[in-house]
Amino acid sequence: GEDVEQSLFLSVREGDSSVINCTYTDSSSTYLYWYKQEPGAGLQLLTYIFSNMDMKQDQRLTVLLNKKDKHLSLRIADTQTGDSAIYFCAEDTGRRALTFGSGTRLQVQP
Amino acid sequence: KAGVTQTPRYLIKTRGQQVTLSCSPISGHRSVSWYQQTPGQGLQFLFEYFSETQRNKGNFPGRFSGRQFSNSRSEMNVSTLELGDSALYLCASSLRQASEDTQYFGPGTRLTVL
Repeated sequence: GEDVEQSLFLSVREGDSSVINCTYTDSSSTYLYWYKQEPGAGLQLLTYIFSNMDMKQDQRLTVLLNKKDKHLSLRIADTQTGDSAIYFCAEDTGRRALTFGSGTRLQVQP
Repeated sequence: KAGVTQTPRYLIKTRGQQVTLSCSPISGHRSVSWYQQTPGQGLQFLFEYFSETQRNKGNFPGRFSGRQFSNSRSEMNVSTLELGDSALYLCASSLRQASEDTQYFGPGTRLTVL
């Protein structure tokens, strides 16, 4: 079956690193995504990783993928107050029907 | 390049009515997918259209339908609205190619059913 799990809340201080974790259950996932949602807005694509990769870095963002444990993480370096939002991980098993986690609310304290 | 656009942004309807939402994909994108977001159920896949054909469908009743036009714009329709249909409806577009299949989302249409 398909089920994506995330912790609900993370609080960090401005300037610290944030690590948001996600576990998924479908080993046939081809793409794994991280999206950001601010209040009242749609989903902003942050980054994605192919299932044959272990790591991807994009400026302040680092994605780590552990296929054996079906674990995905998003690290945000030098977290800013503008990073406060809900972060969703999502998997695509190749049918273009993304399965989303419940979202992690990131709160950045000044 | 303009992003995914959705109209209208906000809608208020009453139970029993029907509603049509519109989505214009990123230029060159031929696949449009629709998702429903509610506080209780989170983000759930509704359906995907590509080349004017529905390619995949989520677990929603037949009251939810959609279509895609030759210019790749898509509409979704919800008939006989229920209170539980109140949600943020998001559409996403993608190139639907092996080398690039990332889904980009629009701002959503917030539907309130009274």
